[in-house]
Order: sequence, then structure tokens, then C-alpha cells
Amino acid sequence: GAVVSQHPSWVICKSGTSVKIECRSLDFQATTMFWYRQFPKQSLMLMATSNEGSKATYEQGVEKDKFLINHASLTLSTLTVTSAHPEDSSFYICSALTETDTQYFGPGTRLTVL
Amino acid sequence: GDSVTQMEGPVTLSEEAFLTINCTYTATGYPSLFWYVQYPGEGLQLLLKATKADDKGSNKGFEATYRKETTSFHLEKGSVQVSDSAVYFCALGDGATNKLIFGTGTLLAVQP
Repeated sequence: GAVVSQHPSWVICKSGTSVKIECRSLDFQATTMFWYRQFPKQSLMLMATSNEGSKATYEQGVEKDKFLINHASLTLSTLTVTSAHPEDSSFYICSALTETDTQYFGPGTRLTVL
Repeated sequence: GDSVTQMEGPVTLSEEAFLTINCTYTATGYPSLFWYVQYPGEGLQLLLKATKADDKGSNKGFEATYRKETTSFHLEKGSVQVSDSAVYFCALGDGATNKLIFGTGTLLAVQP
């Protein structure tokens, strides 16, 4: 149980385009999901908390207009990187919170912006 | 603010050696503590957790004890295998927000 999927697993896009990443909890409902960035050989940096049916809460320094988060259902949250630039290239990871307050992580999405 | 300090790697061990990865934390209140593992090319997987002082989390031969007096949650395994090679992250969970604060990760390389 407690499986979280992400789609796509990797994406390459041109600078200036937008990219949507999906995060799904496959066998449980999650009112709360989280989005992280992980830079090479570094730890995870929390970007935002996604709450079903309400606006996301962004961490300090994260541009909410650039990283749009929508948590439309209890099993799906999406992260859209708008007007992507090469510095947005990163590994994006989501997690979903279970009823026992444990986060289960998706496998991550590698974004490369050319 | 809350923080997690993890021993720097890489840690290189021979198969069947004893493993310890140190983790200490600073927190207000009574957080939950976690160890996550990230195998090459994969996402994070929950390895074990402990929710209160003196709790011992264990899984797959790994164990860690929540030590409030030393603010530590060291990861141990008695006999490592090559398949244990991965990056290990210690994390602290904020009880109010459920946000996780991660340590920097420790790369473990087990040689046959």
C-alpha cells in the first residue's frame, strides 16, 4: 500500500514553454501533498504544500506564479512550471500524506529545460 | 528553527560490515523522526520511523532509536549487503504542519 506515482518520469522542453507534472496517490486518498526540488547530490527542498480544494502554501523564496499547483482531487496534485528556463532544470518530487501522517514519495520527474 | 544534521558521506563498507549513520536533530516540541532511502535512479522510500521518545523503528534489518536525551536517531544495520548501496536521508516531521525537514543525505557504498 501507500503508492505514489508521478508522470512523466522525465521531460525535456524548450525555454519559455510550460510543463505539467502529475502526482497521484494510487491506493489511498491524500488531502495533503507536498512538492520538492532535489538538486544533484543534495537534499530535498520543500517548495510547497498542496491542499485538496484550497490554495497551495508556498515556502519562502518559491515563486507561486511560476510554480502553479492544483490539487483538484483527493488523489491528484499537479505542478506546472510556467515559462520554464534552464535554471528550472531539476528533479521534482512529490509526496502524499497518509492518515497516519507519514509521507510517501513519488519516483520523481527529471525536468530538463533547453 | 528545526534542523537535522547528518553525517557526511560517502560511507564505504565491505559486505557484512556493521553500519552506523549518525543523525541528530534540533526541534521545539516532539517531532516524529524518519529514515528514507533513495536507491540510484529512484525516488525516496520510507525505511523506518519513530513517533516518540524511546521508540525503535526497524525494517529490512535496519533500526534506529528515538533518543530524546541526546536528540539523536542513528541508523544501524548489523550486516550490510551490496544491495543496501543508496543515499540515506534522516528527516524530522513537524507535528503541526507535517512538513519534513531533511538532512543532507549520506551516500552508502557497499563493496563485495
